[in-house]
Amino acid sequence: NAGVTQTPKFQVLKTGQSMTLQCAQDMNHEYMSWYRQDPGMGLRLIHYSVGAGITDQGEVPNGYNVSRSTTEDFPLRLLSAAPSQTSVYFCASSSVGQGSNEQFFGPGTRLTVL
Amino acid sequence: AQRVTQPEKLLSVFKGAPVELKCNYSYSGSPELFWYVQYSRQRLQLLLRHISRESIKGFTADLNKGETSFHLKKPFAQEEDSAMYYCALSNTGGFKTIFGAGTRLFVKA
Repeated sequence: NAGVTQTPKFQVLKTGQSMTLQCAQDMNHEYMSWYRQDPGMGLRLIHYSVGAGITDQGEVPNGYNVSRSTTEDFPLRLLSAAPSQTSVYFCASSSVGQGSNEQFFGPGTRLTVL
Repeated sequence: AQRVTQPEKLLSVFKGAPVELKCNYSYSGSPELFWYVQYSRQRLQLLLRHISRESIKGFTADLNKGETSFHLKKPFAQEEDSAMYYCALSNTGGFKTIFGAGTRLFVKA
């Protein structure tokens, strides 16, 4: 099993450009989520999904869109990149249900917006 | 609202000394609490969870509902414990996991 995979590993964008960060998991997990990691602020939840067709906002959703058309994939879209979105982005997945929700993380995507 | 507070950004201890990483939380229901660790150049990974009441790599954490705390402790720190530690909280059912700001632990030789 590959676990949670993310592409690309690194990306540089100009202000105003759009792009999609890819995330896939092969563990048949219902729950998937996106976080951004910034120095001094830890991981902040952007969006999450509890299953195909169901998404919801986290702590910092503005400027990001998500969709969940399959169990395996959960892409994160930046509609119009801003320098404030420079960060390391992590995707995670887990099964759901009390006592079973260890989150498995991807390797991260380091994004720089100029 | 869910909130996780880790008051220390950096904790530096000598090898063999006890270590305690503090975590306080705010949640109106029955939370599930976790500690995650990120070693240098590795993925974030689960260290332990309150529901298992386990000891991993010598670390333990006790959920204190009265003080709304879930502090991580180890009696004798090792150099290989140097890492970033995150306390996390999820609601009943495992949705919407929120993380604290993290504490960087540095164990000196």
